[in-house]
Amino acid sequence: GAVVSQHPSRVICKSGTSVKIECRSLDFQATTMFWYRQFPKQSLMLMATSNEGSKATYEQGVEKDKFLINHASLTLSTLTVTSAHPEDSSFYICSAGAAGGNPAIQYFGAGTRLSVL
Amino acid sequence: AQSVTQLDSHVSVSEGTPVLLRCNYSSSYSPSLFWYVQHPNKGLQLLLKYTSAATLVKGINGFEAEFKKSETSFHLTKPSAHMSDAAEYFCVVSDAGGTSYGKLTFGQGTILTVHP
Repeated sequence: GAVVSQHPSRVICKSGTSVKIECRSLDFQATTMFWYRQFPKQSLMLMATSNEGSKATYEQGVEKDKFLINHASLTLSTLTVTSAHPEDSSFYICSAGAAGGNPAIQYFGAGTRLSVL
Repeated sequence: AQSVTQLDSHVSVSEGTPVLLRCNYSSSYSPSLFWYVQHPNKGLQLLLKYTSAATLVKGINGFEAEFKKSETSFHLTKPSAHMSDAAEYFCVVSDAGGTSYGKLTFGQGTILTVHP
């Protein structure tokens, strides 16, 4: 099956710093990538959808200036949490979709656990 | 609007016994439905998908799910549990079908424990 690599798997940072998370599709071209957030004991919530070469579409309530998404190539998308604060501590998961396919399938990375001190 | 309810947050079975993970959904559209599994420190892996073809869907590792429109259910089953099945399972509904990427709505997850 399609493989999506997410890096780093865990990051601890100080309040006020920025953190970048990478999401790569290793064996297919991902025209669309998605970023999710998961709070403890809760389900995944979609943050934003990004298409290669276009600006990301953010879900209601997600601050686009806080969570910067770049999808510059068909195999790489990045999420930057700017000026991170303790309330941004969470589990962030990316997924990537391959062009075509019926139904359209999202392939998920292993997630990044962010802890902001 | 769409929603997914996984009726059990934890399910515990003995190895070799059947597995039943329950899922009910709500959707205004003809939904696409998925089951994903997440092992510790691994990404979500697709188990199976339903897209309005056969109502009984077979997936990987011996899992299957039956779409019942009248009951708005999509329960996941396996005849005989293996220790390696221990993981968290997510029922997911998409508001799009065909080749479009719809918005995925996830259930709360069910943690499956398998005892020797």
